[in-house]
Amino acid sequence: DIVMTQTPVSSPVTLGQSASISCRSSQSLVHSSGNTHLSWLQQRPGQPPRLLIYRVSNRFSGVPDRFSGSGAGTDFTLRISKVEAEDVGVYYCMQATQFPWTFGQGTKVEIK
Amino acid sequence: EVQLVESGGDLVQPGGSLRLSCAVSGFSVNYRWMTWVRQAPGRELECLSVIDGGGTTYYTDSVKGRFTISRDSSKNTVFLQMNSLRPDDTAVYYCARGENGMDVWGQGTTVTVSS
Repeated sequence: DIVMTQTPVSSPVTLGQSASISCRSSQSLVHSSGNTHLSWLQQRPGQPPRLLIYRVSNRFSGVPDRFSGSGAGTDFTLRISKVEAEDVGVYYCMQATQFPWTFGQGTKVEIK
Repeated sequence: EVQLVESGGDLVQPGGSLRLSCAVSGFSVNYRWMTWVRQAPGRELECLSVIDGGGTTYYTDSVKGRFTISRDSSKNTVFLQMNSLRPDDTAVYYCARGENGMDVWGQGTTVTVSS
């Protein structure tokens, strides 16, 4: 199975400042199709997860442009610029290149 | 509007069975990738099973041989048949469309396995 490792585990952020979350996979996420199936999801307290970013850097419909994704191969980053109160929650990276699809352990974003 | 609504979660004894349903509106489940994901209390997400557009199914090792994913296009519903349930299957179970990662999620249904 591909292991997804996120850092940090917790990220206290001041409102209006930026936050970055790293995700490293135990093997390359480049699919035989040439696509890299790395997504980022947000889970607010008491809510189901919500897709933010797919295929490394594509923002899903309705996602604010303060969320951005980057990376390649085995190293990926989610950046949240100008953090707002509604951004509090747990963020997961997820790979769908190889089954079983696997998630990182999550990064909790909270306001300082 | 695209919507997924899970049902069927319950309290069940170890060794028992449950069938979860995911009623879909806003798109057809035919030829679409659909998944079941669970989240145990305080834990991260775990993708249990996927059914791809052609009907091929995939299972993670922890549920292989016990859980079965299926879909009924006439009901526009995806199912997860769960047999031989164990206490560590206790979790919130989510249905999600498995495209662009997992782009649409239901609200989840709770399964508790306990005597």
